[in-house]
Amino acid sequence: EDKVVQSPLSLVVHEGDTVTLNCSYEVTNFRSLLWYKQEKKAPTFLFMLTSSGIEKKSGRLSSILDKKELFSILNITATQTGDSAVYLCAVERNTDKLIFGTGTRLQVFP
Amino acid sequence: SAVISQKPSRDICQRGTSLTIQCQVDSQVTMMFWYRQQPGQSLTLIATANQGSEATYESGFVIDKFPISRPNLTFSTLTVSNMSPEDSSIYLCSVEDGRGAEAFFGQGTRLTVV
Repeated sequence: EDKVVQSPLSLVVHEGDTVTLNCSYEVTNFRSLLWYKQEKKAPTFLFMLTSSGIEKKSGRLSSILDKKELFSILNITATQTGDSAVYLCAVERNTDKLIFGTGTRLQVFP
Repeated sequence: SAVISQKPSRDICQRGTSLTIQCQVDSQVTMMFWYRQQPGQSLTLIATANQGSEATYESGFVIDKFPISRPNLTFSTLTVSNMSPEDSSIYLCSVEDGRGAEAFFGQGTRLTVV
């Protein structure tokens, strides 16, 4: 059965800390791995990863995929209170369907 | 990226009634999907909305409970029928413009059934 597992389930940090969010997967017909940030209802797209070892970066956020070990990490440096959200990892299969992990709830306190 | 308008944004409904959620996209898109997010849970795919044919439902979801329409490449509706409190969730539509493209989400509909 396809599954996507995220860890930790929740994380509480202070502003300025660096966090690493983990996503491991067991999915047949893997196409890509995506990260989303969900603050209220709608997830907003962060990264799409298709190739191993190539880091994607956007400001203080970066992510990398390891297709051999079947995992991805999302790093956030110098965290801010505005980073508080649920971060969702999803794996896309060749059937165009996304399988979501349960998310990591990040809380950043001043 | 596609701009998606989903409505209503929230509703409180009586059990036994039905609610139709609309999703309008500002461009023609190949794939449209409907998700449910129950409280404290991740997103679960309900069905893929196919233009010109019946939707394709995931295990555990049936057409009688969640009828879907997709009359063209920019619009879809999801109806939650004969609602019960267990249907209280966030419902999200998502679009993917072609293979290999990232998925974008509507603003979501927060449904509470009382």
